[in-house]
Amino acid sequence: NAGVMQNPRHLVRRRGQEARLRCSPMKGHSHVYWYRQLPEEGLKFMVYLQKENIIDESGMPKERFSAEFPKEGPSILRIQQVVRGDSAAYFCASSPWGQGRSNEKLFFGSGTQLSVL
Amino acid sequence: GQSLEQPSEVTAVEGAIVQINCTYQTSGFYGLSWYQQHDGGAPTFLSYNALDGLEETGRFSSFLSRSDSYGYLLLQELQMKDSASYFCAVRDRGNTPLVFGKGTRLSVIA
Repeated sequence: NAGVMQNPRHLVRRRGQEARLRCSPMKGHSHVYWYRQLPEEGLKFMVYLQKENIIDESGMPKERFSAEFPKEGPSILRIQQVVRGDSAAYFCASSPWGQGRSNEKLFFGSGTQLSVL
Repeated sequence: GQSLEQPSEVTAVEGAIVQINCTYQTSGFYGLSWYQQHDGGAPTFLSYNALDGLEETGRFSSFLSRSDSYGYLLLQELQMKDSASYFCAVRDRGNTPLVFGKGTRLSVIA
């Protein structure tokens, strides 16, 4: 059973370009979470999605950032007009349960390291 | 909102025992989790405590005291491969996202 797959592993963009980060959850998991991590920092929640629905986007910047999890295919985190401050590691996690299950365990991918030049 | 405090770095000797503490402030409480992350790797789940007391999983144990808003991760018989960052995480309500501390970098030395 393959784990959570993220690609690309490393992504380099120039300021003003768009970045698209992909996440395929584990088989059987319909809940996806995106987190962002800066060096020496913890993981900061961005958005929680189920198939075709955004459930909680309280951690997502209001501008330039968007996320989707279509019925078919991977979840996509999209950053438009990237700036240097967007440089970070972006992790996706999946779960077979939604928020609210008391023993929920998140399964993380290996992340995408975004570097903005 | 929630906040978590844990030491930024800990160093311990191979074969020894180390305890990584975590204190938290939340409006509610829905359990304390621990995750391990090696450099450049994915965070991986270690343990979860919803009730007071000690949970043991092999060489790792996790403790929770809800009255003190405090928990710790105990690693026994340390091995070099245990060198990693360890994050505590809480959820203040069932339908809110998991919030992580800044992590404790554990260095195991010979």
